[in-house]
Amino acid sequence: GEDVEQSLFLSVREGDSSVINCTYTDSSSTYLYWYKQEPGAGLQLLTYIFSNMDMKQDQRLTVLLNKKDKHLSLRIADTQTGDSAIYFCAESWGNNDMRFGAGTRLTVKP
Amino acid sequence: DAGVTQSPTHLIKTRGQQVTLRCSPKSGHDTVSWYQQALGQGPQFIFQYYEEEERQRGNFPDRFSGHQFPNYSSELNVNALLLGDSALYLCASIPGQGRQETQYFGPGTRLLVL
Repeated sequence: GEDVEQSLFLSVREGDSSVINCTYTDSSSTYLYWYKQEPGAGLQLLTYIFSNMDMKQDQRLTVLLNKKDKHLSLRIADTQTGDSAIYFCAESWGNNDMRFGAGTRLTVKP
Repeated sequence: DAGVTQSPTHLIKTRGQQVTLRCSPKSGHDTVSWYQQALGQGPQFIFQYYEEEERQRGNFPDRFSGHQFPNYSSELNVNALLLGDSALYLCASIPGQGRQETQYFGPGTRLLVL
């Protein structure tokens, strides 16, 4: 397909793990990203993974990349209420532009 | 170290008017990209500026134009505004040597066209 696809909504309980999934469009994408956007704010870069990697871990965040299926996931361990936000998956080719998904709205219930 | 800054934060215009949005990149960053984020959608790439020239452009009409200054700051101009131009306009800056893996976004300018 031509679009980066994400589920629109995810709801979890505080303390549980959250897994946000993304299917990207181009197997030649060089970098895959996860951005966080809180209400009324810009995009905050959470993490990125180079296309020759399968996994990247950064504190509570784990990114998994399946190049064969063009599938990217973001796992947030011990999810907190402050993690409630919209999470965007994006791909780039190391040149100039980035292609974003429509975002997954994560709601964390106490 | 200041991050990416954008001005103004909010703007209201009417159809047919023109608007100029401004962006200052992070210190040490020489490349600026502009994105349009419509409500409920992800950002869409408008164009990128490097060395004061437009390097790449997304699928936006010529009503959208830009400029980069010698200090690497940038402007986005939109002419003949349409209702559909209402969106959050995001600026992103990229470090020197084209290190695309670290692209940082500003807080955005929210434009409302009435």
